[in-house]
Parts: sequence; C-alpha cells; structure tokens
Amino acid sequence: DIQMTQSPSSLSASVGDTVTITCRASQNIDTFLNWYQQKPGEVPKFLMYGASSLQGGVPARFSGSGSGTEFTLTVNNLHPEDFAVYFCQQSYRFPFTFGPGTVVDLK
Amino acid sequence: QVQLVESGGGVVQPGTSLRLSCAASGFTLSSFVMHWVRHTPGRGLEWVAAIWFDGEEEHYVDSVKGRFSISRDNSKKTVYLQMNSLRAEDTGIYSCARQLGYCSGETCYQGMDVWGQGTAVTVSS
Repeated sequence: DIQMTQSPSSLSASVGDTVTITCRASQNIDTFLNWYQQKPGEVPKFLMYGASSLQGGVPARFSGSGSGTEFTLTVNNLHPEDFAVYFCQQSYRFPFTFGPGTVVDLK
Repeated sequence: QVQLVESGGGVVQPGTSLRLSCAASGFTLSSFVMHWVRHTPGRGLEWVAAIWFDGEEEHYVDSVKGRFSISRDNSKKTVYLQMNSLRAEDTGIYSCARQLGYCSGETCYQGMDVWGQGTAVTVSS
C-alpha cells in the first residue's frame, strides 16, 4: 500500500499569514493527490485534485504543487475560516490512503 | 440538495455483524462511484471500500477483505456496507462519500466531493 505522511502535524498561525503543509507519498503517485479540509463537527471538504487543481468554489488563496512523492498545500493570507485540519489523499492506486492530517490553529 | 445520510451503526461485540446504509439524495446515484471511509481513533481517516456505478467493480482495504462487502441499490438510492466478523479495530465513524472524476486529456483524477456525517460503530466486549 502507498503510505502518506504529512508535516508538520500541527502549526500555529495568525490571520493573514501564509502557511505551507507538506505531504509525502511512499512511492511515485504522479499528481494523483487530493487535499481536504475538515473542521470540528463537519465533514471533510474537498479542496483540490490533481495536486494543484482547485475544486469549484475553493478560494484562490489555496494552492497546491508537487508531483511524484512530494507535495505542498499553501494557504496565502490565512482567513479565520481556514483554521482546520488538512488531509492529503492519494488516488493513484487502491487502496486509496490518507495522510494523518495537519492541524492549523490560531496562534 | 445533494446529501448522503448514513445509518446502521451501533455498539456490537467482536465477531458479530452490522450493515450500514448510505442514503443518497439530490443526485443520480448510478452516475457515481461511491466509497466508504472510516475515521478511527488510532489511524485517522482510513479508506475502506469503493464500488463502481452498477456494482461491476469493488475494491477494499486489506484489513477488511473477506469480512466487509460493499453493495448498492441504485433504484433505492442506497449504498451498503455489510460488516462481518467485526473486530475492536473496526471501531470508528463510518462515512460514505461520492467520487467525482476530473479528466484532462487521457488523465482522469478522482476525489470525494460529497461526504455524509457518518454513523458510529463501536466493537467492544
């Protein structure tokens, strides 16, 4: 199975900051990488597919990059509603696998 | 309104069975691949199973192969997860999710764009 890791596991930031989360795959997954955001008590929200393509309705302050085994999610100009847990997920091969999540909380 | 609503969870003893249901509304279920994903205390988000549009193809995570079975009844707008021989490590919140495909040329990406709130499964003696 393809293992997904994320770093950092948590980070503290302020409104207006830029944050970057890294996701690594245990083997080459091309650009078959998705990002999700989850807030307490809510279901995951699909943010991005293909490593860098925004799902409809997702603000442009979210961006993604990477291919192969290393990927990043960047949130520019952090808004109050962006404080959440972010998960990466590979859809290159079954079983699909998720990263452990990165908590972005208020400094 | 596009929605997925799960039901069927509960507290059960190891070795027993449960059948989860996922009721879809607001979209044509037969047009989408569907997934079950669980959120467990120890392993975070874990993909469990997927089923193709008319049930012609299924996939499972290794830890549930031979014990869990995913199925669907598009006429009833419902996806199921039959869970047998339950173990303590199956404890978690089980959510169903809809797969959306995005194709660019010959490359098609898949993501889960609609999720249900989940149903809780606790396996304990």
